[in-house]
Amino acid sequence: EVQLVESGGGLVKPGGSLRLSCAASGFAFTNAWMSWVRQVPGKGLEWVGRIKSKADGGTTDYAAPVKGRFTISRDDSKNTLYLQMNSLKTEDTAVYYCTAQSAYHLKYWGQGTLVTVSS
Amino acid sequence: EIVLTQSPGTLSLSPGERATLSCRASQSVSSSYLAWYQQKPGQAPRLLIYGASSRATGIPDRFSGSGSGTDFTLTISRLEPEDFAVYYCQQYGSSVFGQGTKLEIK
Repeated sequence: EVQLVESGGGLVKPGGSLRLSCAASGFAFTNAWMSWVRQVPGKGLEWVGRIKSKADGGTTDYAAPVKGRFTISRDDSKNTLYLQMNSLKTEDTAVYYCTAQSAYHLKYWGQGTLVTVSS
Repeated sequence: EIVLTQSPGTLSLSPGERATLSCRASQSVSSSYLAWYQQKPGQAPRLLIYGASSRATGIPDRFSGSGSGTDFTLTISRLEPEDFAVYYCQQYGSSVFGQGTKLEIK
């Protein structure tokens, strides 16, 4: 059974930092391109960024609103994806989903972790 | 940047009826890159359709996708109570999502 389990969410002050983790199991994590998608409560979905598999270069891409502040990384030895979020803004408040890509779509989703940026 | 516009914003139908949801792109996109997701309250989205018309694993055949170029459609042939949810389309190339269509019980 495929599982993506996010952790690390919580309350942080504007300007602060937070690191989210996503533990993956049940599929070939090493070969998977992984993405983070976020959703402001009650609103739509927003793609945050992606990391390719190491075999495909391990490179990252980010959405414009988070570029330069967020960093995606992976530890294939631990089957874990990370999202380092720095210089957080109130508008970063959202549920953050870890997703595993297959070809050109997001095949597997975690249950999400809530990040609240507030003073 | 490609923009995906979904319509209608809200669709009110009864169980047993047919639902037709639209996703229009601001410029032509590859069908291979178009996916649909379903999200129920309090749950994560789940993949329904990929490559514009291929059903994901375990998705009932009452769900179907079609379209090409700039116009794509998700059709639910006969609505079941569990189908009432929010539906999003996504274009992979620019990683953009539509704003969603809420399918509610009439």
